[in-house]
Amino acid sequence: SAVISQKPSRDICQRGTSLTIQCQVDSQVTMMFWYRQQPGQSLTLIATANQGSEATYESGFVIDKFPISRPNLTFSTLTVSNMSPEDSSIYLCSVEGRASGTLYNEQFFGPGTRLTVL
Amino acid sequence: GENVEQHPSTLSVQEGDSAVIKCTYSDSASNYFPWYKQELGKRPQLIIDIRSNVGEKKDQRIAVTLNKTAKHFSLHITETQPEDSAVYFCAVRPPPGSARQLTFGSGTQLTVLP
Repeated sequence: SAVISQKPSRDICQRGTSLTIQCQVDSQVTMMFWYRQQPGQSLTLIATANQGSEATYESGFVIDKFPISRPNLTFSTLTVSNMSPEDSSIYLCSVEGRASGTLYNEQFFGPGTRLTVL
Repeated sequence: GENVEQHPSTLSVQEGDSAVIKCTYSDSASNYFPWYKQELGKRPQLIIDIRSNVGEKKDQRIAVTLNKTAKHFSLHITETQPEDSAVYFCAVRPPPGSARQLTFGSGTQLTVLP
């Protein structure tokens, strides 16, 4: 399976500032996603990061608040802009890739970035 | 869009007993149903999945069953051990040609009591 790393692993930020989270994959992948997981909750898709074009956002998420870049097939960034305490959450990068020994694509998650906004 | 419901939200079992978690979905065209295990402070890990062309899949102590007619699928864990304690999420993915993203259930906190 793809090895996914995220930076930073955690951060504490002040209200009104922005934080950019990086996601790096050790192999080229077609599909990359960004999820949010609020404390004790399930995973909510923010957007699909499209290589070479604008990300596709889910209902309730907008580009001005969560700008996303995808410059190539192994890297993406998510920025959380003008943060408020309600943005405190874990942000997870996810990719769709083929596990060894299988014919099908599966979805794997990065380790996550734990964000606290004061 | 797809709607996924997961039950129960919490489940406690004695070590050695079985645990069953069930999910229902709304889009009859969905064709891929993975289960993820998330330990505290860790990333979700894929533990088993099933595709719509089979009714059951087993991997050692875990199994997943799919009832396409009723639009539900279940995770079965036998001979539970304390290390099985975690939050389990079901997910559903629509067929090719539509959006590729997974829709997740609300999660089940499984506690295995020693």
